[in-house]
Amino acid sequence: NAGVTQTPKFRILKIGQSMTLQCTQDMNHNYMYWYRQDPGMGLKLIYYSVGAGITDKGEVPNGYNVSRSTTEDFPLRLELAAPSQTSVYFCASRAAAGGPFFGPGTRLTVL
Amino acid sequence: ELKVEQNPLFLSMQEGKNYTIYCNYSTTSDRLYWYRQDPGKSLESLFVLLSNGAVKQEGRLMASLDTKARLSTLHITAAVHDLSATYFCAVTPRDDKIIFGKGTRLHILP
Repeated sequence: NAGVTQTPKFRILKIGQSMTLQCTQDMNHNYMYWYRQDPGMGLKLIYYSVGAGITDKGEVPNGYNVSRSTTEDFPLRLELAAPSQTSVYFCASRAAAGGPFFGPGTRLTVL
Repeated sequence: ELKVEQNPLFLSMQEGKNYTIYCNYSTTSDRLYWYRQDPGKSLESLFVLLSNGAVKQEGRLMASLDTKARLSTLHITAAVHDLSATYFCAVTPRDDKIIFGKGTRLHILP
């Protein structure tokens, strides 16, 4: 049981580039979440999903897109990267009655 | 819009002392979570509180939930240095989002 896995662990992007952050869970959880955490700050919800084919915006969705074609995978797409998107990105999943399990995070720098 | 407020945001305390972190939220929530985060690490689940009056304890940490007051507390008993970390509370409004507070940075002095 790997839990929640995220790739890559680290990435440096140039302004205007695009990339996809991968998130996979093997716990058959319906609920999945993407958060960003800026240095010394709390977590802000970007997008979330309550099941395959269903996604919804969180607190800070601008500049990001998601898809949920399978229960296991919830990729986060950054289009036209900007320095303001420099952050640590966490993916999480949970079952209906439980609390979310977090992945190890992806540290992204946009220069 | 759901707001989750933690206080204090920073806390420096001596080993052996007791203290409480507070988490207030602004709208009805079905459940409340407490997490711990060490520097440079991911979040580790501490407690899931599912109903009014719920109390859970693990070692020197005890969490409680009062849904009528929209308040949860995380109580630390006889603090030890290993408990130094940032503690987050998070709540789930009816639309299944999970919204986090800003976190309480706890530093326990030997």
